Amino acid sequence: EDQVTQSPEALRLQEGESSSLNCSYTVSGLRGLFWYRQDPGKGPEFLFTLYSAGEEKEKERLKATLTKKESFLHITAPKPEDSATYLCAVQEYGNKLVFGAGTILRVKS
Amino acid sequence: KAGVTQTPRYLIKTRGQQVTLSCSPISGHRSVSWYQQTPGQGLQFLFEYFSETQRNKGNFPGRFSGRQFSNSRSEMNVSTLELGDSALYLCASRQGGGTGETQYFGPGTRLLVL
Repeated sequence: EDQVTQSPEALRLQEGESSSLNCSYTVSGLRGLFWYRQDPGKGPEFLFTLYSAGEEKEKERLKATLTKKESFLHITAPKPEDSATYLCAVQEYGNKLVFGAGTILRVKS
Repeated sequence: KAGVTQTPRYLIKTRGQQVTLSCSPISGHRSVSWYQQTPGQGLQFLFEYFSETQRNKGNFPGRFSGRQFSNSRSEMNVSTLELGDSALYLCASRQGGGTGETQYFGPGTRLLVL
């Protein structure tokens, strides 16, 4: 059974305090790893797709990296508007996404 | 380009009733997937449709069903509602049938079963 584990469950940061979120996975044949951001009461908003170990992608204060067993979402100098739940999902054969439980991020000014 | 739209946004039903939710994908997208999100179980895959055919199905009872129309719009039906069906139901679309394509989510339909 595919497993996606995200850590920590919750993270409180001061504005400007950089940190990283972790997503570890076990799938038989990774076809893609996806990061989403979800605000309360809304649908997940797409951030990044990673396909192979060593790949990195950046967008504003966010940078996603991928190894053979895990992915990191690095947040540099976060702002209060970065507060959200960050979801990681993997896709193997069959196209369905398997999601982790998410990391709830709170950034205080 | 307009995003994924879902209707209705909120719904209250009672146990035993049935409900139909609707999803319109991003223009040009042919694949639609449905997910259930609850605080206890997180996001779980229900099923995927591509060109009006169900291609993949998650581990949900037969009370959960869906269909896709020729214009790629999709509907999801839940019959004989149970209290545990209360959840946010999310629809996601992607352009084609290829593995590894990004899925884009709609705002969801919040279903409350009383």
